[in-house]
Amino acid sequence: DAGVTQSPTHLIKTRGQQVTLRCSPKSGHDTVSWYQQALGQGPQFIFQYYEEEERQRGNFPDRFSGHQFPNYSSELNVNALLLGDSALYLCASSLEPSGYNEQFFGPGTRLTVL
Amino acid sequence: AQSVTQLDSHVSVSEGTPVLLRCNYSSSYSPSLFWYVQHPNKGLQLLLKYTSAATLVKGINGFEAEFKKSETSFHLTKPSAHMSDAAEYFCVVSESGTASKLTFGTGTRLQVTL
Repeated sequence: DAGVTQSPTHLIKTRGQQVTLRCSPKSGHDTVSWYQQALGQGPQFIFQYYEEEERQRGNFPDRFSGHQFPNYSSELNVNALLLGDSALYLCASSLEPSGYNEQFFGPGTRLTVL
Repeated sequence: AQSVTQLDSHVSVSEGTPVLLRCNYSSSYSPSLFWYVQHPNKGLQLLLKYTSAATLVKGINGFEAEFKKSETSFHLTKPSAHMSDAAEYFCVVSESGTASKLTFGTGTRLQVTL
């Protein structure tokens, strides 16, 4: 049973560029959440997708957007990259958007903005 | 609003001695509480979770935590530390029901020495 997978593993971009990160949830899961983990910090919630809609959003600007596909996979898009966007981006999946359900995390995508 | 405070950024113990990682939480609703562990260059792994059942929760690898509502605490303990326990530990809160956004603490780095 494959767990949560993310691609790419690492990415280097320059300021002002746009980036797309991808996530495939654990088999049987229908809810995907995205988190940003800056160096030395705990992950911060970006947003959550369920039934192809954004259900919750954290304190991130509109430059951060996402999408969920019918097969439950998801993309995170970041426009107009800033140096401060350099971080580990984590995807987590769960069965339904319930606070009781465990979220399973992928290995992350390390984004470096130069 | 929900929040988590991890009282120690760094804890160092000798192998074979007890581990105590402290966490206080704040939540407007009945919370779900989790402890996650992050080993270097690896994804986040769930150690244990509390979701309003028994207040003493047992997790993987000998870890346990006790939910104390009167103290708003959810401290993580282990009777005997092992070298393989060295990692970053995150206390996490989620409000129950459909609000499944996870709020992470800033993390406690556990060092285990011989």
